[in-house]
Amino acid sequence: TQLLEQSPQFLSIQEGENLTVYCNSSSVFSSLQWYRQEPGEGPVLLVTVVTGGEVKKLKRLTFQFGDARKDSSLHITAAQPGDTGLYLCAGRRGGSNYKLTFGKGTLLTVNP
Amino acid sequence: SAVISQKPSRDICQRGTSLTIQCQVDSQVTMMFWYRQQPGQSLTLIATANQGSEATYESGFVIDKFPISRPNLTFSTLTVSNLSPEDSSIYLCSVANRASYNEQFFGPGTRLTVL
Repeated sequence: TQLLEQSPQFLSIQEGENLTVYCNSSSVFSSLQWYRQEPGEGPVLLVTVVTGGEVKKLKRLTFQFGDARKDSSLHITAAQPGDTGLYLCAGRRGGSNYKLTFGKGTLLTVNP
Repeated sequence: SAVISQKPSRDICQRGTSLTIQCQVDSQVTMMFWYRQQPGQSLTLIATANQGSEATYESGFVIDKFPISRPNLTFSTLTVSNLSPEDSSIYLCSVANRASYNEQFFGPGTRLTVL
């Protein structure tokens, strides 16, 4: 059972376009992280959201945590080729459970 | 964030042999984890490396196949034993601190190919 469902799995767009990636679950998470991974490298943490309804912005990236803390979205404005990579969401269930559960990822390609 | 290095960065091994991967952190960390990322797939947690005690393995992963050591707060090793082509993957270590369990930081990964 995949606890975190990411969509779309693949996304190919032109430079300058906007896009949204979704991360959904039937489970509640105490926190949710978004990572970006480039080929040959480990995932790099982009943001952590912990409060239901929270919105965080990182330059052209906007992250939102759902009110019920079961889902999250990542919106990129005016995508650039440098945004190309695998975007992963990961959730932590909370308490003494330190483990992260990862979604399957969204492979984004931004064409010049 | 911590600076994490892994050795080797990649290796090609023959089936039946073993590979030991090292993970070194530039500062003391509370938690260290080992993940596997199969080609085109997401990350699957193998185990939590516990300092001074046996690692905690996830369902589907056993100590005989994936022995782990963590002699101190900055270093851990993962051995992948009795290699088969199905073990071809990227192996990643990650770290987190008690002050901020929500944030895990990853090493660059070790790409293993088994022939």
